[in-house]
Amino acid sequence: TQLLEQSPQFLSIQEGENLTVYCNSSSVFSSLQWYRQEPGEGPVLLVTVVTGGEVKKLKRLTFQFGDARKDSSLHITAAQPGDTGLYLCAGEEYGNKLVFGAGTILRVKS
Amino acid sequence: DSGVTQTPKHLITATGQRVTLRCSPRSGDLSVYWYQQSLDQGLQFLIQYYNGEERAKGNILERFSAQQFPDLHSELNLSSLELGDSALYFCASSVTGGAEGYTFGSGTRLTVV
Repeated sequence: TQLLEQSPQFLSIQEGENLTVYCNSSSVFSSLQWYRQEPGEGPVLLVTVVTGGEVKKLKRLTFQFGDARKDSSLHITAAQPGDTGLYLCAGEEYGNKLVFGAGTILRVKS
Repeated sequence: DSGVTQTPKHLITATGQRVTLRCSPRSGDLSVYWYQQSLDQGLQFLIQYYNGEERAKGNILERFSAQQFPDLHSELNLSSLELGDSALYFCASSVTGGAEGYTFGSGTRLTVV
């Protein structure tokens, strides 16, 4: 099983600040996905990136897939308290199984 | 409501016991995945079923087993429970594979005492 490392593990910022979360691996994935999980709930899919170098935007969130399809980043502009949660990256191994990183806990203070 | 239904939401049981967790996938989804989430291990893949057949296996203990029925619902059976089995167990579903993303249920919180 391939491993995904996320950094930072924990991030506490003020409302309005920008932040970037990283997801790195030494292995190639056929796709990479980002999920957000709130306490007591299951992860919810935010985006899937498939092509190396791909950039996707979802309102204030920008997702990038590395050229070699081994890493990804999530950038949030002007963070809001509603962005608070656990952000998980997940790589799709060939054969459809998703491998998850340990997650980044984001806390946005108002 | 994600469309994936997991029951029960909470389960408290004693060591050595056996429990069954149930999952109904989103309508139209053929693949079901089971994950275990604990504070120190994160989300760990247990097993995948596709249209009734086992497709992939992860770090699933021999004390654990699962199956997917003809109506596509799935059950995860955990036996000879140990304290360390306490965790959140999630079921997820997708149409075919992982490329389109998974839809997760709200999970079952298992506490072994």
